[in-house]
Amino acid sequence: SQTIHQWPATLVQPVGSPLSLECTVEGTSNPNLYWYRQAAGRGLQLLFYSIGIDQISSEVPQNLSASRPQDRQFILSSKKLLLSDSGFYLCAGHWGGIDTQYFGPGTRLTVL
Amino acid sequence: AQSVTQLGSHVSVSEGALVLLRCNYSSSVPPYLFWYVQYPNQGLQLLLKYTTGATLVKGINGFEAEFKKSETSFHLTKPSAHMSDAAEYFCAVSPNDYKLSFGAGTTVTVRA
Repeated sequence: SQTIHQWPATLVQPVGSPLSLECTVEGTSNPNLYWYRQAAGRGLQLLFYSIGIDQISSEVPQNLSASRPQDRQFILSSKKLLLSDSGFYLCAGHWGGIDTQYFGPGTRLTVL
Repeated sequence: AQSVTQLGSHVSVSEGALVLLRCNYSSSVPPYLFWYVQYPNQGLQLLLKYTTGATLVKGINGFEAEFKKSETSFHLTKPSAHMSDAAEYFCAVSPNDYKLSFGAGTTVTVRA
């Protein structure tokens, strides 16, 4: 079965500090991977998606970047966090032949 | 491009009463449609999905949804609410390339 792991579960960071959130997946190889952000009182916004190693598409211009150094690893980063980067970050995976995305437990990021 | 509108950001129902969550979408092609549930500080869990075939879809926890192409709707219902149904619910649409577009979400509160 497909499982998505995310860490850390919660994170409090000062403005201007760097960020690295990690997502790892278990299951069949070569999934599509996604990073979403959920801001307070808002729906989910797709930030990045990846169809393979080192293949990243950005959906919205922002202060963040993503990398996929291995098939089952997807990393969300920032060099300098902004207050507006606060939110709940969700990693998701989609495997070919399965008509849905599976979500990880999320990381709650608070930027102070 | 696809978009999803969920009518009502908050819904309050009595335990045992009908739960009705509304979702309308716009899509240039016949879409895949999904309902996800999110409990506090957790990831999203798939409730049900429509891809093809029967337009009345049954999901987990007693929920069901009906795809009405003429109304571009995919409303979610449950005949009798339970306290454990208190959560946030998201409607999502995909144009078959597995990039989900989510609605803003509806928070359900269940009164004893």
